[in-house]
Amino acid sequence: DAEITQSPRHKITETGRQVTLACHQTWNHNNMFWYRQDLGHGLRLIHYSYGVQDTNKGEVSDGYSVSRSNTEDLPLTLESAASSQTSVYFCASSKGGGQPQHFGDGTRLSIL
Amino acid sequence: RKEVEQDPGPFNVPEGATVAFNCTYSNSASQSFFWYRQDCRKEPKLLMSVYSSGNEDGRFTAQLNRASQYISLLIRDSKLSDSATYLCAVIPNNAGNMLTFGGGTRLMVKP
Repeated sequence: DAEITQSPRHKITETGRQVTLACHQTWNHNNMFWYRQDLGHGLRLIHYSYGVQDTNKGEVSDGYSVSRSNTEDLPLTLESAASSQTSVYFCASSKGGGQPQHFGDGTRLSIL
Repeated sequence: RKEVEQDPGPFNVPEGATVAFNCTYSNSASQSFFWYRQDCRKEPKLLMSVYSSGNEDGRFTAQLNRASQYISLLIRDSKLSDSATYLCAVIPNNAGNMLTFGGGTRLMVKP
């Protein structure tokens, strides 16, 4: 079955380190999204992509970057991790055309 | 005003009860609407899409009211396993395929 997977599921790192979270989908969806979810803030969009070589900033993009070199993957990089980036991160993908997004299991990231 | 608003709850209901949630949206040109379910510390999962004519899936019924700009979710015969947070999501007409999420409504079904 087609699916969307995130790795790692949990990560602990130190401030100042570079961290990359992986997102891989096998639905051949053009659209991919990264969110963070914190208590009191709901889901907030970090970056998104509508296809290979396309990336766009979302609501809370500062300190994050993405790249889209193929259809299946949209890795999220924290250039220099900060404690404020401790959060749960969800990746999602959609077919487009007003179709819903489907989410990965999430990555729980702690920055000490 | 937020683009998509929900009553955060919690809604505490006994098993077997019928419960309804509303979700208001501000962009009158919005075209696509969805309900997601999110369990604690898990990913949001699509519960159902909301069509103009309304739609039903077992105990769950979703309705769209364009005139008043809200969508609703009705759950009949509530089960303990329905306890979760319910998120509404909207694709505004001019936003490509970006979803705007409400903050979620928490439902707790008690024995």
